[in-house]
Amino acid sequence: GAGVSQTPSNKVTEKGKYVELRCDPISGHTALYWYRQSLGQGPEFLIYFQGTGAADDSGLPNDRFFAVRPEGSVSTLKIQRTERGDSAVYLCASSPTPPPGAGELFFGEGSRLTVL
Amino acid sequence: GNSVTQMEGPVTLSEEAFLTINCTYTATGYPSLFWYVQYPGEGLQLLLKATKADDKGSNKGFEATYRKETTSFHLEKGSVQVSDSAVYFCALSDRNGNNRLAFGKGNQVVVIP
Repeated sequence: GAGVSQTPSNKVTEKGKYVELRCDPISGHTALYWYRQSLGQGPEFLIYFQGTGAADDSGLPNDRFFAVRPEGSVSTLKIQRTERGDSAVYLCASSPTPPPGAGELFFGEGSRLTVL
Repeated sequence: GNSVTQMEGPVTLSEEAFLTINCTYTATGYPSLFWYVQYPGEGLQLLLKATKADDKGSNKGFEATYRKETTSFHLEKGSVQVSDSAVYFCALSDRNGNNRLAFGKGNQVVVIP
């Protein structure tokens, strides 16, 4: 389809393991975002890419979280030494180069991560 | 920092009833305001938006007016349908160019026939 694609849709892992979550944005969208949604909460910003570079990573909770977008399209969110508190739905969104404050984000369905 | 507050708790109402979901915000400057909706089994999608004070966003029978004086962006629909059952999120974006959104907690809306 033409929407934002996220894989896997569900991931169950054990505490301490390494996890990668993938996002394939809408073709041609230069801006890509990762958000995290915990149960009963709204999405919380993690990181924003404009092209290949992370333009704003101020939402990453600690240095166990890292994201890349090496060719300016697909992005991978990487979580090291997972903890139970990392359990959440990780959302990816993309948009065309945004004008300040007025653009629409197109979201994927999310990757649900459960850390046992 | 920027934040959005939505009314507490799920909303359950009958078909054809009037829906209001309250949203207030705190922001520096002049943010853009959004309502996103998440239908069961689907990703978040934009419902409507307003980019400046007194603007009214509308879509699918839903409306919200950007009220700078009360820092509010309440969502309304005059006659809901069962298909409007979803989770609704209020959000704001500052104008620093990165389109970063701050979301409220969301409200589950259940419309019963």
